[in-house]
Amino acid sequence: DAGITQSPRHKVTETGTPVTLRCHQTENHRYMYWYRQDPGHGLRLIHYSYGVKDTDKGEVSDGYSVSRSKTEDFLLTLESATSSQTSVYFCAISEWQVMNTGELFFGEGSRLTVL
Amino acid sequence: AQKVTQAQTEISVVEKEDVTLDCVYETRDTTYYLFWYKQPPSGELVFLIRRNSFDEQNEISGRYSWNFQKSTSSFNFTITASQVVDSAVYFCALSGSGYALNFGKGTSLLVTP
Repeated sequence: DAGITQSPRHKVTETGTPVTLRCHQTENHRYMYWYRQDPGHGLRLIHYSYGVKDTDKGEVSDGYSVSRSKTEDFLLTLESATSSQTSVYFCAISEWQVMNTGELFFGEGSRLTVL
Repeated sequence: AQKVTQAQTEISVVEKEDVTLDCVYETRDTTYYLFWYKQPPSGELVFLIRRNSFDEQNEISGRYSWNFQKSTSSFNFTITASQVVDSAVYFCALSGSGYALNFGKGTSLLVTP
């Protein structure tokens, strides 16, 4: 199994509070991704990183920011959490760009509830 | 723009039945990859298969088989002689010129004894 650790695995917070989710990998893969999974929507890309300090937005990036200061860590921050951000968040990594056969390996997910 | 459509939201079958999960995709890329992932009730996402746009050969892996047809932009997944352990949500995904995978909304498969 790919070495991906997400923390926290579960979090309950209140509207308006900041939240940071951490994704840590031990595979030294270049590419890292944050997806959210919601019923009826499948998996939607929030942000991704193609190298240290290189990040870009996905289709549902509003309200989220990311940072990658080291190869192994990719942080997802909700500056001011809203109830619509209640979701399960998955981190994924890939060694190669997906268009070049890069298979994604997923973390176990972080369940966030915003009250 | 890329799009993956899994029209079947939920499927319920009885054990040992064959079941096909449909996946239709849209892309303007000439080179792309299609994937299937499985998400069992435990929640993790498990890679099942990757197929590139230049390889239309069907693939079989045990009870699993995949049918890729560029003419109909489909990449369907068949489970033969389904088992209870096949109960999961299955996602079809597409990659192209971008950096990430675009996923369909998933098909929830329930296999009952």
